[in-house]
Amino acid sequence: DAGVIQSPRHEVTEMGQEVTLRCKPISGHNSLFWYRQTMMRGLELLIYFNNNVPIDDSGMPEDRFSAKMPNASFSTLKIQPSEPRDSAVYFCASSLNSYNEQFFGPGTRLTVL
Amino acid sequence: AQTVTQSQPEMSVQEAETVTLSCTYDTSESDYYLFWYKQPPSRQMILVIRQEAYKQQNATENRFSVNFQKAAKSFSLKISDSQLGDAAMYFCAYRGAPTSGTYKYIFGTGTRLKVLA
Repeated sequence: DAGVIQSPRHEVTEMGQEVTLRCKPISGHNSLFWYRQTMMRGLELLIYFNNNVPIDDSGMPEDRFSAKMPNASFSTLKIQPSEPRDSAVYFCASSLNSYNEQFFGPGTRLTVL
Repeated sequence: AQTVTQSQPEMSVQEAETVTLSCTYDTSESDYYLFWYKQPPSRQMILVIRQEAYKQQNATENRFSVNFQKAAKSFSLKISDSQLGDAAMYFCAYRGAPTSGTYKYIFGTGTRLKVLA
């Protein structure tokens, strides 16, 4: 199994630009989670999908953030417009269902200048 | 609300020695799951070990074992025969049982483990 795949691994952009992060969950997993990791706030859950449907987006910081899951094998997290305080490592994780352990992707390190 | 506390920001261990990382949590639930994740410099979050609260037996995975004290709400990770590859950030995480309707992980702030050659 290839595990959770995220792209890009690194992204450097300028303030105001649109950023799209991508995730391919483990095949057969029905739940997908997006996290943000910063030194100040640690690991924060941004949004959770179950069977491609957003269940809980209460962690999404503001309207500049949006996430989609058009099918069971692909999800995106978009930031528009990006700001320097969005700089962080963004993780995608998937699990067999909501209550199994989560398997994390390698993360995307985002730097907004 | 549940909380997870890792009081050791950093620990060091000599190669081949044993080290214990501490984790305490607070919850009013009786059934839940606890996890230890490892995050090496590659950033990948790797599941090390999990413990179901209803199980009295401590979980073990090769050189990794836990000391689960439910009454004390303590969940420490013991790494035996430490190896250079064990150097990483270690996160303790809590998740409620399915019956609670909770799917969210609550993560601690992490302990950075250094392994000295």
